[in-house]
Amino acid sequence: NAGVTQTPKFQVLKTGQSMTLQCAQDMNHEYMSWYRQDPGMGLRLIHYSVGAGITDQGEVPNGYNVSRSTTEDFPLRLLSAAPSQTSVYFCASRPYDREDQPQHFGDGTRLSIL
Amino acid sequence: DQQVKQNSPSLSVQEGRISILNCDYTNSMFDYFLWYKKYPAEGPTFLISISSIKDKNEDGRFTVFLNKSAKHLSLHIVPSQPGDSAVYFCAANTLNTNAGKSTFGDGTTLTVKP
Repeated sequence: NAGVTQTPKFQVLKTGQSMTLQCAQDMNHEYMSWYRQDPGMGLRLIHYSVGAGITDQGEVPNGYNVSRSTTEDFPLRLLSAAPSQTSVYFCASRPYDREDQPQHFGDGTRLSIL
Repeated sequence: DQQVKQNSPSLSVQEGRISILNCDYTNSMFDYFLWYKKYPAEGPTFLISISSIKDKNEDGRFTVFLNKSAKHLSLHIVPSQPGDSAVYFCAANTLNTNAGKSTFGDGTTLTVKP
């Protein structure tokens, strides 16, 4: 069972570069989300989606874009990387409208911005 | 304003003893709570949850207690094992909303010494 797959696992960027973090899930979950985790801090929500074609902002959306063209994929784009975006990024999914169900997380992308 | 707080960044216990991890919340609209466990270089995985209509939920060595009046929950691990060493996140949801967002605490790093 693949679950939630994130690529790449590691990435180093220079300030100003752009890149896309990939996230795919094979559980047919409508709800998908992106979090960042900084040292000593919890998971902060960047963007989320409740289905194909529907996205919304979380608590820390600045500097990131998302789109949801299919149920399976939810890519996160950094438009112009900044050192403050150095973090570990997690993608998660769960069935929509089932807040009593846990989220399934990928193993994360560790991103360093120089 | 942090709505979910885990005030102990770390906890160290001896193998076989009880581990108690605490979580406080401020938003009275939260009505479902989850604990996740996270090992290094992996994504968080679901451990146990509790609905606000209950005050206790048990699953093997893990028990979660909820005190709604105090807006406090705790995770008890008995007996603790070295394999339980991980970061534990408390998360809170609001049921029956179409946002479906979870709010996470900053995590507690548990170390179980052999």
